[in-house]
Amino acid sequence: NAGVTQTPKFQVLKTGQSMTLQCAQDMNHNSMYWYRQDPGMGLRLIYYSASEGTTDKGEVPNGYNVSRLNKREFSLRLESAAPSQTSVYFCASSLGGWGNTIYFGEGSWLTVV
Amino acid sequence: SQELEQSPQSLIVQEGKNLTINCTSSKTLYGLYWYKQKYGEGLIFLMMLQKGGEEKSHEKITAKLDEKKQQSSLHITASQPSHAGIYLCGAETGANNLFFGTGTRLTVIP
Repeated sequence: NAGVTQTPKFQVLKTGQSMTLQCAQDMNHNSMYWYRQDPGMGLRLIYYSASEGTTDKGEVPNGYNVSRLNKREFSLRLESAAPSQTSVYFCASSLGGWGNTIYFGEGSWLTVV
Repeated sequence: SQELEQSPQSLIVQEGKNLTINCTSSKTLYGLYWYKQKYGEGLIFLMMLQKGGEEKSHEKITAKLDEKKQQSSLHITASQPSHAGIYLCGAETGANNLFFGTGTRLTVIP
């Protein structure tokens, strides 16, 4: 019952450092997503990939890059971390299209100091 | 842009009591999702509603979407400590996006 798996679960970065959050799904889903969750702001979409080979910006893409490595994997990269990127990051996946449930990973807690 | 308002923001109830959480949209909802999140964990899918007047139930949780498709409610009957967590509603804003409300934090006192 792996579903959506993301790593690492916890990470502390210094301002200016780079890192990549990894995400993999084993449900043969077409679409994958990265969200961030901040207190009082709810979940906000950073980037999504509707299908293998495509990526699109969401609501808050600045400071992030993504790679859809293959159908299973979708990574999120912070090139130069800033304290404003301290957040909980969630990867998610779905079959895609309207009306298909989006399934979430367990989250990655990132602190930038 | 889509806005989803959840109320109340937090709720404390005694075990065994019923409760309702509301989610109101500024636009017509084409798909409304309810998720539950426990602290330190991911989001667990509860239910999805698409049709005006639709109602779905799972165990002691019932979700409804009003006829105008701008408001949804989540009702828990005879609450238990296992129901505690953050409940999030999400609205489909495109074929590949869910826009979320800010959540309702539920505490159930044994």
